[in-house]
Amino acid sequence: NAGVTQTPKFRILKIGQSMTLQCTQDMNHNYMYWYRQDPGMGLKLIYYSVGAGITDKGEVPNGYNVSRSTTEDFPLRLELAAPSQTSVYFCASSYSPRPYEQYFGPGTRLTVT
Amino acid sequence: AQKVTQAQTEISVVEKEDVTLDCVYETRDTTYYLFWYKQPPSGELVFLIRRNSFDEQNEISGRYSWNFQKSTSSFNFTITASQVVDSAVYFCALSEAGRSQGNLIFGKGTKLSVKP
Repeated sequence: NAGVTQTPKFRILKIGQSMTLQCTQDMNHNYMYWYRQDPGMGLKLIYYSVGAGITDKGEVPNGYNVSRSTTEDFPLRLELAAPSQTSVYFCASSYSPRPYEQYFGPGTRLTVT
Repeated sequence: AQKVTQAQTEISVVEKEDVTLDCVYETRDTTYYLFWYKQPPSGELVFLIRRNSFDEQNEISGRYSWNFQKSTSSFNFTITASQVVDSAVYFCALSEAGRSQGNLIFGKGTKLSVKP
């Protein structure tokens, strides 16, 4: 099992550009999450999905969009990148919301200049 | 409101010292789950432990131990005989049973530096 994989690992964007962060898991987990981690802070939930075709907003969804067409993939789209979106992005998955732990991908470090 | 507080921003110890990382949580749910994750310098998040609100037994795993006290809403983590490889940022997190999405509420983390 590869677990949760994310691409790219690093990216620099110019203000106003768009990009998609890829996330794939091979554990057949229904629940998937996108978090962002700002320096010196814990992770905050951007979007989540409870299964293919079902997504919902988390705590900080503005400026992002997601889709979930398959169980395995949960891409995060950034439209019109802004410096405030400079962060490390983590994708996670779990078998069910509780009490199972979430498995995290290695993260994508994004800089918007 | 749900909240996790890790008051210690950074801790520095010398190898073989014992160190305790504090975690205090707030929740209105009677059923919830507490987690500790380790984030080494490489950046990934590694799951360490999960504890549910009905199980107040302390747990020991090798050099790691966890003290869960509902009376003080705390879930502290102790590393005995610390090693350089323990250097990392440690996050405490809360998941409330009443939240259907099951996301984790994270504290800000405690950066532990273990010096040889």
